[in-house]
Amino acid sequence: NAGVTQTPKFQVLKTGQSMTLQCAQDMNHEYMSWYRQDPGMGLRLIHYSVGAGITDQGEVPNGYNVSRSTTEDFPLRLLSAAPSQTSVYFCASSFSGQGPNEQFFGPGTRLTVL
Amino acid sequence: DAKTTQPNSMESNEEEPVHLPCNHSTISGTDYIHWYRQLPSQGPEYVIHGLTSNVNNRMASLAIAEDRKSSTLILHRATLRDAAVYYCIGGGSNYKLTFGKGTLLTVNP
Repeated sequence: NAGVTQTPKFQVLKTGQSMTLQCAQDMNHEYMSWYRQDPGMGLRLIHYSVGAGITDQGEVPNGYNVSRSTTEDFPLRLLSAAPSQTSVYFCASSFSGQGPNEQFFGPGTRLTVL
Repeated sequence: DAKTTQPNSMESNEEEPVHLPCNHSTISGTDYIHWYRQLPSQGPEYVIHGLTSNVNNRMASLAIAEDRKSSTLILHRATLRDAAVYYCIGGGSNYKLTFGKGTLLTVNP
């Protein structure tokens, strides 16, 4: 199993540009989520999904869109990039959203918005 | 999720045990205690979780106080590979993990 994969690893955008961060998992996990991590801080939840076709907002959803058309993929779209969105983005998945299931994290995407 | 309090940083020597404390005085009866760690430039990885009883796995042990207001993650023999930020998280019954700043563990050779 590849686990949770994220592309790209690094990205530089100009203010106002849009882009999609890709996340895929091959473990048939129901639950997937996106976090962002700013320097010296913990992770903050952006959006999550409890299954294909079902998404919901986390703690910091503004400026981001998600969709979940398949179990495997959970892309994160930045609609109009802003410097405040400079961060490291992590995708995670787990077997179920309920209970203390281990979450598996991807390696992250480092995004810089100029 | 319960609010957790951890020391900002701790130091240990290689091959010695490490006890990482966490206070979670507002934890509810159904909240689990999770520990994750994040190695430099990597995503977090799961370490262990527990509810009431002490727990062991191949990575670590989790000692939970009888009143559940605190817990301690125990690494039995620290290695240089264990240098990381360790996050204690109270909650998870609603699957939304809330990460604080964690404890930065430095392991000295």
